[in-house]
Formats: sequence, C-alpha cells, structure tokens
Amino acid sequence: NAGVMQNPRHLVRRRGQEARLRCSPMKGHSHVYWYRQLPEEGLKFMVYLQKENIIDESGMPKERFSAEFPKEGPSILRIQQVVRGDSAAYFCASSPRDRSGRTYGYTFGSGTRLTVV
Amino acid sequence: QKEVEQNSGPLSVPEGAIASLNCTYSDRGSQSFFWYRQYSGKSPELIMSIYSNGDKEDGRFTAQLNKASQYVSLLIRDSQPSDSATYLCAVNSVKTSYDKVIFGPGTSLSVIP
Repeated sequence: NAGVMQNPRHLVRRRGQEARLRCSPMKGHSHVYWYRQLPEEGLKFMVYLQKENIIDESGMPKERFSAEFPKEGPSILRIQQVVRGDSAAYFCASSPRDRSGRTYGYTFGSGTRLTVV
Repeated sequence: QKEVEQNSGPLSVPEGAIASLNCTYSDRGSQSFFWYRQYSGKSPELIMSIYSNGDKEDGRFTAQLNKASQYVSLLIRDSQPSDSATYLCAVNSVKTSYDKVIFGPGTSLSVIP
C-alpha cells in the first residue's frame, strides 16, 4: 500500500518559468492538502481539495498559484512565472474521512523541493 | 491569540532523560489532537493521535490531553539522539466550514549524547 506519492522530489526552475508539482494520495484517501515550508519555518497551509472540488484555498497566494484534483490522476499544484521567493519545500498530505466525521491525522508525502534560480 | 501555540525551543535534554513538549490551543470545540515528528529535510510523520482526556502511551511516547485547560503535551521517555527533530502539534478546528487541522509552529528538540 503505497503512501502519498509526490513528484518530482527536486525541481529547479528559472525565474519566469512554470512549476508543476504532482501528488497522488494514499489509496482510499480522497482528501488532499498542500502545504509550503520555507527553510527553518513552520508548515503553511495552502489549499484543501477533494476530487474535482477546491474546498479551501485560503492559504493560496492570489496570483500565479493554482491547484486542481481531477477525477482521474494526481492533484497538481501549479506555480506560474516563478520568483526566487517561491523556493521552498512543498508538501502534499492526504487523509480519509469516516462516516462518523472523526478527523484522522494526515499522511504526508516526501515533498517537492523547488529551487528558483 | 494564535490557534495552536508551542514553545519554539530549542529544547535540549541529555540522553536518557524525559523530554516534555507542550502545546496549547484556542478552539474549545477541538476534538482531535496530533503530534508529528519532522527530521531536518524530511516530511512530517504522524507519531501520536489522541481524542480523549487523559494519557495515551505508545512505547516511549506518551500524549497527555486536558481539554478543560486546552492543553496537550508529548512526553518522550529515555530520550535518544535519534529523537532530535522538530515536533509539531496539530489540532482540528471546528470554526471553519469543514474539519480543518491546524498545525503549530513546532518545537525543536535536541537530545545530547
């Protein structure tokens, strides 16, 4: 049973290019969360998605950032026209939901380290 | 007041000692509480979940929850150098339209051999 799969592990982009980060949740998990972590800083929530729906994007920058979780395939976090300040580790997490509504802990992927040069 | 607060540390303990990590939260309706461990350069790993008042033990780890005081802690007995990491406290929030998990800033723990 594979965990949360993220790719690529490392991504280098020049300023102005686009970055695409992929995340496949654990089998049986239908909820995906994206977080950003700058060096020596905490996790910052970005967006929460279910299949074909964005539930909460309150942590997403208003410009250049977008996310999707299509019916088929992985969730994608897209950053257009990257700048140096976008350099960070981007983590994806997934969780199940049971019928009682209990909150389970998230399972995190290994992350994508984005470097903008 | 921040939703989830932790001492940033670093917290240093000698090998073999008990490390005590503390967390307070602001949402009285919270029902689910988690501790994650994050090694430098790695992703967070869930190590404990607790849902009821009292203690929950798993090996050398004990999570303690006091909902009346809005306080949750993690004790690590017989601390080892391999326990050196950042520990993140996380709590569900019922203030949003869905059951959102809020992460604290983390406490850095260093176990000195």
